[in-house]
Amino acid sequence: GAVVSQHPSRVICKSGTSVKIECRSLDFQATTMFWYRQFPKKSLMLMATSNEGSKATYEQGVEKDKFLINHASLTLSTLTVTSAHPEDSSFYICSARLNTNTEAFFGQGTRLTVV
Amino acid sequence: RKEVEQDPGPFNVPEGATVAFNCTYSNSASQSFFWYRQDCRKEPKLLMSVYSSGNEDGRFTAQLNRASQYISLLIRDSKLSDSATYLCVVNNQGGKLIFGQGTELSVKP
Repeated sequence: GAVVSQHPSRVICKSGTSVKIECRSLDFQATTMFWYRQFPKKSLMLMATSNEGSKATYEQGVEKDKFLINHASLTLSTLTVTSAHPEDSSFYICSARLNTNTEAFFGQGTRLTVV
Repeated sequence: RKEVEQDPGPFNVPEGATVAFNCTYSNSASQSFFWYRQDCRKEPKLLMSVYSSGNEDGRFTAQLNRASQYISLLIRDSKLSDSATYLCVVNNQGGKLIFGQGTELSVKP
């Protein structure tokens, strides 16, 4: 199946700093990628839809200035958590799809810990 | 009401047991459906897509009832390696995948 690579897999940062997470589709072009957040023992919560060449679409309650998304090419989307706080600590996962009706392939996830 | 709802877990079953998971969705315009498996601290991985005619892959059988807006997953002859969280996923208009809260399965020797 298609491969989506996410980096880094784990990051620890200090409060107030920013963290960038990369999501790459390795063997296909993804015009749309999705960013999710997952808390322990909870399901994935869609944060935003990343669109190549245009602005991301954020879900209700997700701060666009806090979670900056850039989809600069057909194979790369980045999520930047700005001015991170301990409550931003979570598991962030990206996904990409070949088209809107096929299954999604997920990156390995990034475990963010803000201290 | 949540868009996708699953059986509450956890399910604790012995090896060899048959276990069934249920899922309901609220948006009748939903277009495609999937079961994903997620192991602890890992990303979700596709287990199988769910088709209206029902589909089977080895020990796993998925069913979809569009009229009742209901999806099921049956696992036969459970293995220890089947222990994981099973996520019901619904594809809504616009290509958004909506996840159920997941059902945890623990298969014991």
